Amino acid sequence: DIQMTQSPSSLSASVGDRITITCRASQNIDKYLNWYQQKPGKAPKFLIYDTSNLQSGVPSRFSGSGSETHFTLTIDNLAPEDFATYYCQQSLTAPLTFGGGTKVEIK
Amino acid sequence: EEQLVESGGGLVQPGGSLRLSCAASGFTFTSHWMAWVRQAPGKGLEWVANVGQDGTKKNYADFVNGRLTISRDNARNSVYLQIYSLRPEDTAVYFCARDKIVGPSQYHLWGQGTLVTVSS
Repeated sequence: DIQMTQSPSSLSASVGDRITITCRASQNIDKYLNWYQQKPGKAPKFLIYDTSNLQSGVPSRFSGSGSETHFTLTIDNLAPEDFATYYCQQSLTAPLTFGGGTKVEIK
Repeated sequence: EEQLVESGGGLVQPGGSLRLSCAASGFTFTSHWMAWVRQAPGKGLEWVANVGQDGTKKNYADFVNGRLTISRDNARNSVYLQIYSLRPEDTAVYFCARDKIVGPSQYHLWGQGTLVTVSS
């Protein structure tokens, strides 16, 4: 199975900051990497697919990059509604594993 | 409106079984793979299983080990997760998600989740 490792597991930031979350795959997954946002008590929200493609309606301050085993999610100009937990997921092959999550908290 | 609504969760004793249901509406159910993802209290997302459009293709997470079975009924626009020999570590919110039509999986649509608690 492909293991997905996110770092950091949590971070504190202020409104307006730029943050970057890293996701590493245990083997080459090409571009097949999704990102989700989850707020407490809610279902996840789909943000980005195939490493860098924003889902319709997702603000342009979100961006994704990377390839093979190393991927990043960047949020520019952090907004109040962006404080949440973010998960990566590889979509190359089943089982479709998630990373452990990164909680973005208000500093 | 596209919607997924899970049901069937509750308090179950260890060793028991449960069938979770997910009713889909507002989209062409038969076009999509469907999936289950779970989340233990205070923990991250854990992919459980998915099932293809006609119900014949199925994939499972390693931890399933024969204790969980995914199925679907296209006539009822529903997907199911049968869980056998429940263990305390199965305690989680179980989410239903709409999966791909073709190509790589992308979970655009999620249900609100149903909580399964395994305890004596």
